[in-house]
Amino acid sequence: DAKTTQPPSMDCAEGRAANLPCNHSTISGNEYVYWYRQIHSQGPQYIIHGLKNNETNEMASLIITEDRKSSTLILPHATLRDTAVYYCIVRVMGTGANNLFFGTGTRLTVIP
Amino acid sequence: GAVVSQHPSRVICKSGTSVKIECRSLDFQATTMFWYRQFPKKSLMLMATSNEGSKATYEQGVEKDKFLINHASLTLSTLTVTSAHPEDSSFYICSASALWGGDTQYFGPGTRLTVL
Repeated sequence: DAKTTQPPSMDCAEGRAANLPCNHSTISGNEYVYWYRQIHSQGPQYIIHGLKNNETNEMASLIITEDRKSSTLILPHATLRDTAVYYCIVRVMGTGANNLFFGTGTRLTVIP
Repeated sequence: GAVVSQHPSRVICKSGTSVKIECRSLDFQATTMFWYRQFPKKSLMLMATSNEGSKATYEQGVEKDKFLINHASLTLSTLTVTSAHPEDSSFYICSASALWGGDTQYFGPGTRLTVL
C-alpha cells in the first residue's frame, strides 16, 4: 500500500472549518483514500473514504485532487470533540485481508 | 450500524496469568477481524488477521503461541494473551471488516491491559 504524508499537528478555532491535508504521491490506480480519527484512549473511528471523486457524509468532506496525489479532509464546523489524531490511509479495496497502515497522523486541536 | 464492541475495556493482571479479550461485531457479520496493539504515544500496529473458521495470520515478530486468536463465528473473535508479562501492557484494539460496504474496517473501543 502507498505511504502517506501528513503534517504532525494543526490547530483550528471552534466553529471554523478544519482542513487536513494528506499527500499520497505514489498512490496506485486501484487504491482508495481512507480517513480515520482516534480520540485519546479510544479505538479509531472511520470517517470517510473515496477513490477519485469528492465525497461527503454527515461527518466530513473528502476532496481528492485530479491527479489523486493528494487529498484534504474537511470538517466543516469543528467542535471541541473533534480534537483527535487524524489518519490518512491508502489501500486497495475489496481485499479484506489487507491491513490498514497507520502512520503518525495529524494531531488536530480545536481551540475554544 | 457497524458497531464493534470489546470486553473488557480495562484489565489489570499479575505477571504469568492469561487474559482473554473479546471482540464482537454487534450489528453486522464480519468477514475478517483484525487485532492491533498500540503503545503509549505510538501508532497502531497490526498483530494478526483472522477469518472465521480458519487460523489467524500473524505479523512478523508477533508470537502466535503467546497471542492466541480464535475466530469462532462471524461476530466474535477472541485474543488471549498467555503468560502475560509487564512488557505486554498495552492498548489492544480489534477491528472488523464487513461483508457489505467494501470491507471498510470498523474498530472497537480498545482494551487497556496492565500487567503487574
